[in-house]
Amino acid sequence: DIVLTQSPALAVSLGQRATISCRASQSVSISRYNLMHWYQQKPGQQPKLLIYRASNLASGIPARFSGSGSGTDFTLTINPVQAGDIATYYCQQSRESPDTFGVGTKLEL
Amino acid sequence: EVQLVESGGGLVQPGRSLKLSCAASGFTFSDYNLAWVRQAPKKGLEWVATISYAGSGTYYRDSVKGRFTISRDNAESTLYLQMDTLRSEDTATYYCARRDSNYWYFDYWGQGVMVTVSS
Repeated sequence: DIVLTQSPALAVSLGQRATISCRASQSVSISRYNLMHWYQQKPGQQPKLLIYRASNLASGIPARFSGSGSGTDFTLTINPVQAGDIATYYCQQSRESPDTFGVGTKLEL
Repeated sequence: EVQLVESGGGLVQPGRSLKLSCAASGFTFSDYNLAWVRQAPKKGLEWVATISYAGSGTYYRDSVKGRFTISRDNAESTLYLQMDTLRSEDTATYYCARRDSNYWYFDYWGQGVMVTVSS
């Protein structure tokens, strides 16, 4: 299985930039398609899609969120961080079955 | 508006069975692959099973193969997960999720239903 490694927590200040990383144990890219996706989960809620295919913003997601990366290294950036962004962020790869998720990065003030 | 609403969770003894349902609305149900994803208490997300849009293809994680069965009723816009021979490690919130057809990300999620396996 492809293992996705995320730092468990990241401390941020409101109004600043937050950079969350996700490293895959092998490439999750096929040709020009990067099959890495990002989700936000707030306490007591279901996950919500933020970014698909590494850099594409999902419908209704503010432009403060952005994604980048290819191959094995990917980044989710939130700039500027707002109070409502305090949540846990998961990366997910769909390059190879089974789909796998990172452990999640909890954004903390 | 896309909606996915799970039901059928609860407390069940080890070795027993439970069947989850997910009622969908707001999109053409038969056009999409669907999945179940679970989350153990205070843990991360774990894909469980996927079913193709017509129901002809089913895929499972190894730990549930032979015990869980994913199915769908396109006429009723409902997804199911039959869970047999339940184990304590199956305790989790189970989410129904819609899968993008081309790149297989999960674009919509239900609110989740809790399954507790305990004697």
